[in-house]
Amino acid sequence: KAGVTQTPRYLIKTRGQQVTLSCSPISGHRSVSWYQQTPGQGLQFLFEYFSETQRNKGNFPGRFSGRQFSNSRSEMNVSTLELGDSALYLCASSGSPLAEEAFFGQGTRLTVV
Amino acid sequence: AQSVTQLGSHVSVSEGALVLLRCNYSSSVPPYLFWYVQYPNQGLQLLLKYTTGATLVKGINGFEAEFKKSETSFHLTKPSAHMSDAAEYFCAVKKSSGDKLTFGTGTRLAVRP
Repeated sequence: KAGVTQTPRYLIKTRGQQVTLSCSPISGHRSVSWYQQTPGQGLQFLFEYFSETQRNKGNFPGRFSGRQFSNSRSEMNVSTLELGDSALYLCASSGSPLAEEAFFGQGTRLTVV
Repeated sequence: AQSVTQLGSHVSVSEGALVLLRCNYSSSVPPYLFWYVQYPNQGLQLLLKYTTGATLVKGINGFEAEFKKSETSFHLTKPSAHMSDAAEYFCAVKKSSGDKLTFGTGTRLAVRP
């Protein structure tokens, strides 16, 4: 059974640009969450999607957005990139929002220059 | 709001020595508790979890953790460290199965030959 797949693994963008990251959950999983990991702030929750609906949202500016498709794949978008957006973005999938544990992908390393 | 405190951002042990990584939580209700491990340039891998039932939880790679409600702790231990255990370890909490994960700041474990 394939794990959580995040693409791309590495990305370099310029300030002011926008970026889209993709996450394919484990087959059969319908809940996808996104986390940002930085040396200064650690792991912070961005948002969670289930059945194409956002269930929960962390404390991030509106430049950060996401969506989920009918096949449970999810994308997150960051517009007007800032240097501080450089981070490892992790996606986690669960069978459902009530599942006890989440399974993480390898992440997308975003560098903003 | 829940929070997690991991004492010691860096821990160094000799190969074969006991590993003890500390985690204390604050939660208004009995929480769900997790330990994740992260190897360089990788995502998070679940080591073990506590939800209900037995307070001593065994995980993968010889790790275990004990939930102590009176001390609000969930410390991670391994009797004998191996070089391959060198990684960053994160304690996480959520107040219910449907809640988001709140992570501690992580403890980087180094294992000396």
